[in-house]
Amino acid sequence: NAGVMQNPRHLVRRRGQEARLRCSPMKGHSHVYWYRQLPEEGLKFMVYLQKENIIDESGMPKERFSAEFPKEGPSILRIQQVVRGDSAAYFCASSPYHGQVGNQPQHFGDGTRLSIL
Amino acid sequence: TQLLEQSPQFLSIQEGENLTVYCNSSSVFSSLQWYRQEPGEGPVLLVTVVTGGEVKKLKRLTFQFGDARKDSSLHITAAQPGDTGLYLCAGGGGNKLVFGAGTILRVKS
Repeated sequence: NAGVMQNPRHLVRRRGQEARLRCSPMKGHSHVYWYRQLPEEGLKFMVYLQKENIIDESGMPKERFSAEFPKEGPSILRIQQVVRGDSAAYFCASSPYHGQVGNQPQHFGDGTRLSIL
Repeated sequence: TQLLEQSPQFLSIQEGENLTVYCNSSSVFSSLQWYRQEPGEGPVLLVTVVTGGEVKKLKRLTFQFGDARKDSSLHITAAQPGDTGLYLCAGGGGNKLVFGAGTILRVKS
């Protein structure tokens, strides 16, 4: 009974390269959330997606960042032309339904640690 | 903008001691969740409190939601080294969870 799977667990990129982070939600979950966490800080919401739809991207930087959750396959968080400030842990969470977000348990993956050289 | 402030930021105690950590906001939340996160891992949900004044117990952990649904507390009785970790509170806000910055708890044996 696999939980939320994120890969890679660690990703190193040079400035200007692209980073692709993947998230496979728990089986039966159709709602995916991406969060960013800086050292010793809480998680900051980035984007909420359902299959083939971006529902809320209010936490996403306007440039260089994009996310998708295709009909088949994992959700992808893509960061183009990475800069040092993009270094962080990126977490994905999934839930089986939406409703009141705060009332629904979100199951988190173990994150991708992105380091920019 | 909804914000959650957690205190203390860092707590180091001896095994067997009791402790309380707090989560406060000027905003009303429909519910609050508490998570524990260990280094290198994702947050794991401990509890969701929904009703103002609600108290939930999970073994040695007691969670309380304030009457006005603006604050919450987590009390741990007889802390153990296995309780060490980052404790995060999160409030439901529209399409997303709003997280506090967390309390780092270290329990020494």
